[in-house]
Amino acid sequence: QVQLVESGGGMVQPGGSLRLSCAASGFAFGSYAMHWVRQAPGKGLEWVAVISYDASDKKDADSVKGRFIISRDNSKNTLYLQMNSLRADDSALYYCARDLYIGVAAVDVFDHWGQGALVTVSS
Amino acid sequence: SSELTQDPAVSVALGQTVRITCQGDSLRNYYASWYQQKPGQAPVVVICGKNYRPSGIPDRFSGSSSGNTASLTITGAQAEDEADYYCNSRDSSGNLWVFGGGTKLTVL
Repeated sequence: QVQLVESGGGMVQPGGSLRLSCAASGFAFGSYAMHWVRQAPGKGLEWVAVISYDASDKKDADSVKGRFIISRDNSKNTLYLQMNSLRADDSALYYCARDLYIGVAAVDVFDHWGQGALVTVSS
Repeated sequence: SSELTQDPAVSVALGQTVRITCQGDSLRNYYASWYQQKPGQAPVVVICGKNYRPSGIPDRFSGSSSGNTASLTITGAQAEDEADYYCNSRDSSGNLWVFGGGTKLTVL
């Protein structure tokens, strides 16, 4: 079955860096676009970034632009999020999610999610 | 601020029907997906595309869309449906994704 397991979370000081990983299994990782979505404590979901199946295209939200970098290693079935210049408002549970796109059915959905990695930015 | 707008909270009596809505300009061009999130758990997709329910999602969940509004309907709400519900779609440019602010559903 599809499994997504995030790691690399922790506590970091403002201005610091952290790299999250998302290990994928149970599906052809290299055939799917992947997303990062975050959720601050007690708040809603916020889309962070997406990377195409072959890493040729990447997009990110304005809130993280220029600070976060999404990448992937299809040989290792792993998605990454390099987070730099971290701020207190980046504190959140970070989820990786698989993108399922079926054009003829108008399906464009985050169909599988990991359990999340907690990032706390605090001095 | 989110480009998709949801009511923060909705309540429904056990066994009754409830509709949760999501408004946004991008919904004129893209279908919304709907996710259920229970405390301490990752989101789970309940509806996507025109009105597609993934395997394992009860048929009391359905989706619809009209103009700039997408709706998630639960017909005969059960106690286990009490959760936060989020809509999402691409944004108006089609290049990015957005989530609604979420709706907390209480089953009375």
